[in-house]
Amino acid sequence: AQSVAQPEDQVNVAEGNPLTVKCTYSVSGNPYLFWYVQYPNRGLQFLLKYITGDNLVKGSYGFEAEFNKSQTSFHLKKPSALVSDSALYFCAVRRPRGNQFYFGTGTSLTVIP
Amino acid sequence: DAGITQSPRHKVTETGTPVTLRCHQTENHRYMYWYRQDPGHGLRLIHYSYGVKDTDKGEVSDGYSVSRSKTEDFLLTLESATSSQTSVYFCAISEAGENQPQHFGDGTRLSIL
Repeated sequence: AQSVAQPEDQVNVAEGNPLTVKCTYSVSGNPYLFWYVQYPNRGLQFLLKYITGDNLVKGSYGFEAEFNKSQTSFHLKKPSALVSDSALYFCAVRRPRGNQFYFGTGTSLTVIP
Repeated sequence: DAGITQSPRHKVTETGTPVTLRCHQTENHRYMYWYRQDPGHGLRLIHYSYGVKDTDKGEVSDGYSVSRSKTEDFLLTLESATSSQTSVYFCAISEAGENQPQHFGDGTRLSIL
């Protein structure tokens, strides 16, 4: 079965500190990996994706993500958190030649001023 | 933002009534998806479409049907709504190509009393 795990329901970080939101996956083959952000009463917005190549990918709003094949992880990172980064974050995977995306249950990030 | 419009944005209805939600896109993307979002479950796929009149079931398709008669419109129907279908429903679109991300509408909040 395909699955995506976000082990932390809630992450709190002080403004200006680095942040990490964790994601691990269990999907056959070499999947494509995505991060999305959701603000209140809005749909999910695409942040970044990993397809192949460099294990560190950069995305929107200063976010980046580190792919680790041996640990089947794709953690979202940002060097310096902003209060405006407070939101719900979702990790998603898609199998090669598959039509479906599989989402984690989401991590609520709160950046404390 | 991708041109995705969901209607209605809010709806309250009674158990046993039929309900149709509409997703309209102006991007001419091939793939369209319907998800429901519930606390503790993240996003769960209901149905998706990979072309006009081409649809397939997701993980929570029971009690739902879909239709896609035009590229731009994807309808989700609850034939006889139940309280367990109270949720926030999101439409998403993506281009052909398995490494393409999804883009989401702003959701429909559906309450079934």
